[in-house]
Amino acid sequence: DVKVTQSSRYLVKRTGEKVFLECVQDMDHENMFWYRQDPGLGLRLIYFSYDVKMKEKGDIPEGYSVSREKKERFSLILESASTNQTSMYLCASSSLAHPNSGANVLTFGAGSRLTVL
Amino acid sequence: QKEVEQDPGPLSVPEGAIVSLNCTYSNSAFQYFMWYRQYSRKGPELLMYTYSSGNKEDGRFTAQVDKSSKYISLFIRDSQPSDSATYLCAMSVGGGADGLTFGKGTHLIIQP
Repeated sequence: DVKVTQSSRYLVKRTGEKVFLECVQDMDHENMFWYRQDPGLGLRLIYFSYDVKMKEKGDIPEGYSVSREKKERFSLILESASTNQTSMYLCASSSLAHPNSGANVLTFGAGSRLTVL
Repeated sequence: QKEVEQDPGPLSVPEGAIVSLNCTYSNSAFQYFMWYRQYSRKGPELLMYTYSSGNKEDGRFTAQVDKSSKYISLFIRDSQPSDSATYLCAMSVGGGADGLTFGKGTHLIIQP
């Protein structure tokens, strides 16, 4: 089974701090994604990447950046954390060549719950 | 009008009941439909995947797509307490992952 590992399950940071959220997948998937999930708002796409060193903005990229230096690793960066970035962050991956289904079949990590004070 | 509508619940039913979870959508171009299950404090996991209209069955789970009504359903037979989770519908126009639109999820509780 594909495994998507998010390095930090729970983080507490202060306003203005730089935050790194790391995600690693072990099945050679081309696509990787960062979502945030908030009560009443559901899942919202922040950034995604189709290939190494490639990134595309999702629906809510403001205040975030990403890095994909290796195929298996996709990092989400909050340059200067703010309280409205308190959320559950979910990393996901998918394959362009997923058999019998499309690249829109996502495998998610367990999530990183970030609290910004 | 939101693109995908899903009742947030909570929906509480007794063990053994048949559960029906639903989503409506407005974009008639959606062709790929998925259901994800999310347990508390975990990431979503894919439960069912359907292309275009029709039914798909997998054990106790049946996914149904009615494109004419822009309505999709997930049925759970012989529901178990372990089915208690949030169920998210998701859909896309093409097979690429960038266009995936999620519902906000329905919180399901199966009472022992």
